Amino acid sequence: LAKTTQPISMDSYEGQEVNITCSHNNIATNDYITWYQQFPSQGPRFIIQGYKTKVTNEVASLFIPADRKSSTLSLPRVSLSDTAVYYCLVGPEGYQKVTFGIGTKLQVIP
Amino acid sequence: DVKVTQSSRYLVKRTGEKVFLECVQDMDHENMFWYRQDPGLGLRLIYFSYDVKMKEKGDIPEGYSVSREKKERFSLILESASTNQTSMYLCASSSPRGQAQETQYFGPGTRLLVL
Repeated sequence: LAKTTQPISMDSYEGQEVNITCSHNNIATNDYITWYQQFPSQGPRFIIQGYKTKVTNEVASLFIPADRKSSTLSLPRVSLSDTAVYYCLVGPEGYQKVTFGIGTKLQVIP
Repeated sequence: DVKVTQSSRYLVKRTGEKVFLECVQDMDHENMFWYRQDPGLGLRLIYFSYDVKMKEKGDIPEGYSVSREKKERFSLILESASTNQTSMYLCASSSPRGQAQETQYFGPGTRLLVL
């Protein structure tokens, strides 16, 4: 499985756009990129998944460059409730043993 | 919405006790997982099951066993609890969704303290 590297922590002010970048240099052709969000005292929840280019949903956008060696999760106009840990995962279709790692702890400041 | 429930939010046990953590999902998912989460170490996979009575070891299976007698229920067993098993335990379930990586749905977690 491709190893992922993401910042341990980030701070942002309310209302700003936040971009969290994940590096996955050894990503394989059949790997997907998935992001999860975990609020304190809760289990992680799926945010977004992509294979290439750009994916957008009601929560976030995911930007994947052509070489797919990195990906960027973009959260528009964050609020205090976006304070959470964000995990970047890489793995192929049907592979269950994905690695969550430590994630990026985002602190939104008023 | 998928619902994954865990039998307890908080549990306090003594060293040497046998501990059962129960997880139930209501979406007929094939796969179920047990993770533990510790500060600075992230989520680590203990065991997962891809079918009834089937199981596979994750990254840290030592000191744990699992049981899946029914599709909706996945139990984590600490045969003889030790203080280093004090942790947050998270259960998840997933189902194959075709041409994509499976989405895991997590329960709220059980915070276990072993004294």
